[in-house]
Amino acid sequence: GAGVSQSPRYKVAKRGQDVALRCDPISGHVSLFWYQQALGQGPEFLTYFQNEAQLDKSGLPSDRFFAERPEGSVSTLKIQRTQQEDSAVYLCASSLRTSGSLRYFGPGTRLTVL
Amino acid sequence: AQKITQTQPGMFVQEKEAVTLDCTYDTSDPSYGLFWYKQPSSGEMIFLIYQGSYDQQNATEGRYSLNFQKARKSANLVISASQLGDSAMYFCAMREAFKAAGNKLTFGGGTRVLVKP
Repeated sequence: GAGVSQSPRYKVAKRGQDVALRCDPISGHVSLFWYQQALGQGPEFLTYFQNEAQLDKSGLPSDRFFAERPEGSVSTLKIQRTQQEDSAVYLCASSLRTSGSLRYFGPGTRLTVL
Repeated sequence: AQKITQTQPGMFVQEKEAVTLDCTYDTSDPSYGLFWYKQPSSGEMIFLIYQGSYDQQNATEGRYSLNFQKARKSANLVISASQLGDSAMYFCAMREAFKAAGNKLTFGGGTRVLVKP
């Protein structure tokens, strides 16, 4: 498909487990964003990549959260030692240019921590 | 202070009628952009409409229009001729051009719209 894809779509983890969430942006898109959306709320910014460089990680809630985009395309958001408060939908978005107004969102990964 | 405020948590609207969703924002950046997204129950965020801070005209996209009042810092979304498929969460978001790398979006809390037949 031509859109942003994310996998898995649903993830259930026991408290304390590590999880890895994948984002495949639209081919050629320079910018990639991760957002966290708690139930009933708007998305909250986590981190931003321009190609492989992570230029902004100010939204990562703790050092348990780590993101990478080693080759400037696919990105992985890793959460170590998951806690119940990490339960949320994790959205990935990409845009063609660094200053692009139009950005495309993926379907999200719903993480439930038991 | 909240950067994006959506004061209506939920709204009912009759099919075929128009509905206005409120959004106010707070920024000191002279260059910014305002977005509206629709999020159906399936979860994907669908881009609806964009307004740049320097745009002279209010943005329109089909049945969607943005009532941009810069002095009041408001960017209300108007959906005309509501359809059952318009039932969803609607989010207002802002991009501040100079505040952060990559022009990240800051979202409001959303408004849930339910269209009644």
